[in-house]
Amino acid sequence: EAQVTQNPRYLITVTGKKLTVTCSQNMNHEYMSWYRQDPGLGLRQIYYSMNVEVTDKGDVPEGYKVSRKEKRNFPLILESPSPNQTSLYFCASSYAIGGGWEQFFGPGTRLTVL
Amino acid sequence: GEDVEQSLFLSVREGDSSVINCTYTDSSSTYLYWYKQEPGAGLQLLTYIFSNMDMKQDQRLTVLLNKKDKHLSLRIADTQTGDSAIYFCAEGRDMRFGAGTRLTVKP
Repeated sequence: EAQVTQNPRYLITVTGKKLTVTCSQNMNHEYMSWYRQDPGLGLRQIYYSMNVEVTDKGDVPEGYKVSRKEKRNFPLILESPSPNQTSLYFCASSYAIGGGWEQFFGPGTRLTVL
Repeated sequence: GEDVEQSLFLSVREGDSSVINCTYTDSSSTYLYWYKQEPGAGLQLLTYIFSNMDMKQDQRLTVLLNKKDKHLSLRIADTQTGDSAIYFCAEGRDMRFGAGTRLTVKP
């Protein structure tokens, strides 16, 4: 089954404690991205990756890091989480359709930073 | 920056039609998208429309695109309780999302 998986699905942590949210896709897509979803703001892109070892900042990259060492995985790293990073996070994997993308989203990771 | 705007809430009765509206700003967008998010789940692509089209119909869904006004709408015919969800429009290669419209369908 084609899918995007994220782990963990729920995480409660404390300020300053480094964490990693994993994302994996089995569709051999080159393009992957991370979003955060906040009430009234919709989805905002944090980082994206066009291919292995190619990553770039989205609209709200501050406080986040990513890596893309292999095509299927795109982990999101919070080196020193803060309460304003409490949010719902989605990983997406995409393939190109002409001038756009068809995106497949993971189930989401709800992060609470105390 | 570019903004995609949607009203936040819509409530309809079961069996009625729902119309969810969206305005966008990037006139160079090639594709415009509608995504559905059910409670506790990720987003699923519902449909998309290419910018050289005015309308696209897919079963109960009709997408209308007015390029002059940069206005996109999603019409759901015969709305069912299972259609209750948040609907996001998104534009372009950069995939900019609106804030989402929460559709509530009352029996």
